[in-house]
Amino acid sequence: QKEVEQDPGPLSVPEGAIVSLNCTYSNSAFQYFMWYRQYSRKGPELLMYTYSSGNKEDGRFTAQVDKSSKYISLFIRDSQPSDSATYLCAINFDGPGGYNKLIFGAGTRLAVHP
Amino acid sequence: DAGITQSPRHKVTETGTPVTLRCHQTENHRYMYWYRQDPGHGLRLIHYSYGVKDTDKGEVSDGYSVSRSKTEDFLLTLESATSSQTSVYFCAISDTLYEQYFGPGTRLTVT
Repeated sequence: QKEVEQDPGPLSVPEGAIVSLNCTYSNSAFQYFMWYRQYSRKGPELLMYTYSSGNKEDGRFTAQVDKSSKYISLFIRDSQPSDSATYLCAINFDGPGGYNKLIFGAGTRLAVHP
Repeated sequence: DAGITQSPRHKVTETGTPVTLRCHQTENHRYMYWYRQDPGHGLRLIHYSYGVKDTDKGEVSDGYSVSRSKTEDFLLTLESATSSQTSVYFCAISDTLYEQYFGPGTRLTVT
């Protein structure tokens, strides 16, 4: 079983739709939960991160972590064509010795059409 | 953009030849990483470094070696390239547990 599972999509939605992107993970020790966005032919960039559980909001984006279900979500409200990209979830934990490797999901490709 | 560059940006090489990819940073970050990205697999860690001359293997390290003789440079070497190593290679740097800054990527084709 992979440590992080993510549906690769693709996901196609009309402009203005609410988008829900999800990942599941297997290790309950994970504490940091991130969402990276990657435009075509570019490197990924951090969109949001959450430490431990709960919600975090940033403009049209909301990241949600449910540690009891080992489930993380990213919601995009009022989606725009400029949101078309691949979204990768990533996880990490603050282990002994300073564990500093991220584990990425496979990425979900999102297309928002006008 | 974080000060991270990769060279070359594109390379075509033949099976069996050695290839070295370079990652250069101007941010003085402690950690540096090499990933490969393939359809259906996402980003997979090849090797990473937690300091000068300190490196460790990632999940797909077979056929790859790395070196870091200076804080700013992290080299990835394919000793004898194979077609299965055709991929997009990303370098990343970080100083936190949650944020990595990625370079622009190198597209490598092994024929």
